[in-house]
Amino acid sequence: KAGVTQTPRYLIKTRGQQVTLSCSPISGHRSVSWYQQTPGQGLQFLFEYFSETQRNKGNFPGRFSGRQFSNSRSEMNVSTLELGDSALYLCASRTGQGSTGELFFGEGSRLTVL
Amino acid sequence: AQSVTQPDIHITVSEGASLELRCNYSYGATPYLFWYVQSPGQGPQLLLKYFSGDTLVQGIKGFEAEFKRSQSSFNLRKPSVHWSDAAEYFCAVGAPGAGSYQLTFGKGTKLSVIP
Repeated sequence: KAGVTQTPRYLIKTRGQQVTLSCSPISGHRSVSWYQQTPGQGLQFLFEYFSETQRNKGNFPGRFSGRQFSNSRSEMNVSTLELGDSALYLCASRTGQGSTGELFFGEGSRLTVL
Repeated sequence: AQSVTQPDIHITVSEGASLELRCNYSYGATPYLFWYVQSPGQGPQLLLKYFSGDTLVQGIKGFEAEFKRSQSSFNLRKPSVHWSDAAEYFCAVGAPGAGSYQLTFGKGTKLSVIP
């Protein structure tokens, strides 16, 4: 069974640009969550999608957005990039059944903003 | 709101020695608790989880953790560390509710292993 796949793995952008990151969850998983990981703040929850609906959102500005498609694949977008957006962006999927269940993480997309 | 504290930023142990990584949480209800391990260039991998029942839970790679409600702790242990255990370890608390699900992570403990 293939794991969570994130693309691209690495990217470099400049301030003011926007970026779109993609996540393909494990087959059969309907919930996709996104986390930002930085050395200073650690892992922070961005948002969760289930059946194409955003179910929860963390404390991030509106520049951070996401969506989920009917095949459960998800994208997140960051507009007007700032230096502080440099981070590892992790996608995680789970089956979505009930409110428990293990989160399976991808290897992340490392974004560098210059 | 829930929070997780991992008091030790970096721990160094000798191979074969025992290990205990500390985790304290703050959550108003019965918590869902997790330990994840992350190696460089990889995403976090679940070591073990506690939802209810037996307070001593076994995980992969020989790890175990004990939930102590009175101390709001969920410490991770391993009786004999292997060099391959060197990684960063994260404790997390799950906050289900309103049909959604998110984890709050501690800042992590980096484990170094001396051969």
